[in-house]
Amino acid sequence: DTEVTQTPKHLVMGMTNKKSLKCEQHMGHRAMYWYKQKAKKPPELMFVYSYEKLSINESVPSRFSPECPNSSLLNLHLHALQPEDSALYLCASGGGRVSGYTFGSGTRLTVV
Amino acid sequence: GESVGLHLPTLSVQEGDNSIINCAYSNSASDYFIWYKQESGKGPQFIIDIRSNMDKRQGQRVTVLLNKTVKHLSLQIAATQPGDSAVYFCAERGYNKLIFGAGTRLAVHP
Repeated sequence: DTEVTQTPKHLVMGMTNKKSLKCEQHMGHRAMYWYKQKAKKPPELMFVYSYEKLSINESVPSRFSPECPNSSLLNLHLHALQPEDSALYLCASGGGRVSGYTFGSGTRLTVV
Repeated sequence: GESVGLHLPTLSVQEGDNSIINCAYSNSASDYFIWYKQESGKGPQFIIDIRSNMDKRQGQRVTVLLNKTVKHLSLQIAATQPGDSAVYFCAERGYNKLIFGAGTRLAVHP
């Protein structure tokens, strides 16, 4: 069982839709992350939140908008996505430099 | 820039054999490495990690070896089982983010 919970597990959305991905962790980790993973590729970092503040944005298009309401929650708001944005979106949390990262099971997003 | 890569994209082994998955990294300043296992439809699962001040670390049926001289990392799985079939990623941890290698698919045959 994962300690990082992502919802929904699957999402199909049109290019004009607005949707949100949600992530929750209760491990007390102070850093949370969004990764994007295309088929047969490694995860690619999108955003990093540290102590609820955005610390890294890996030049992600503005149609992806992250939000960290509190230390346990991380959202990714989606608007006007393109079919090429279809991927597995992974959330992770980490306790700091001396600990590893725990990943959720991901949200499989399909943009039609 | 920094990069973490794998030598073999696919590895096929017989059940019960030992598996060795390799990884090369380019940043000699990297000080921490993690191996992840990812099964179809799931997120990466932590297997084992190693710091740069170590050469070897063992877990249950898994061993990670680090050769800093040639910037090479390997994951050894003893007595490979069908449940070990998955994609394995090495990852280099830099400040506040992970850089993943390309991944190796391990296929275990009965």
